[in-house]
Amino acid sequence: EEQLLESGGGLVQPGGSLRLSCAASGFNFNNYAMGWVRQAPGKGLEWVSVISYDGANEYYGDSVKGRFTISRDSPENTLYLQMTRLRAEDTAVYYCAKIPFGDYANAFDIWGQGTKVIVSS
Amino acid sequence: DLVLTQSPLSLPVTLGQPASISCRSTQSLVHNNGNTYLSWFQHRPGQSPRRLIYQVSNRDSGVPDRFSGSGSGTDFTLKISRVEAEDVGVYYCFQGTHWPQWTFGQGTKVEIK
Repeated sequence: EEQLLESGGGLVQPGGSLRLSCAASGFNFNNYAMGWVRQAPGKGLEWVSVISYDGANEYYGDSVKGRFTISRDSPENTLYLQMTRLRAEDTAVYYCAKIPFGDYANAFDIWGQGTKVIVSS
Repeated sequence: DLVLTQSPLSLPVTLGQPASISCRSTQSLVHNNGNTYLSWFQHRPGQSPRRLIYQVSNRDSGVPDRFSGSGSGTDFTLKISRVEAEDVGVYYCFQGTHWPQWTFGQGTKVEIK
């Protein structure tokens, strides 16, 4: 069974940094592009970032560009999101999600359970 | 920027009755390859989002056949033929045609009357 398990969320002060992790299992992680989607309190889903299967290409939403960095460790089957210069509006549940094989247009077929990030002083 | 607008934003439904959610895009979602990449996601309370429909009308594995998707170009619809209690949640349309800029609609909350 394909599974994604996020970790690393928590409380951080404005301007601070945090790294989220997503452990993948049940599929060949090396073959799939992956992404992060978030949901702020009382808001809808927002695409955050996507990385290609080989890590060669990274894509970011406008609200996080220049502050967040997506990466992956294929031997460890783990996806990361390094978040810097955090703002109150980055407070959200962050979901890791898988993209079907080579099919970026049909993104996000499998999701993790989410990890909560709170940016507050 | 492309915007997906859903209506209604709140949908009270009687159990066993049908429900319909509209999603309208500010740009055509027909890709250069002729396919249309419009998906629907369900987000139940306390759970992770789940994809129900991809490419307008294709149900994901395990999705009950009471869920159906239709539409073309800029106008799309998700229909639930007979709402069950487990269908309560927020439903989002989503476009991938114009990747690497993916877009969600603002969500429609389905609740039982």
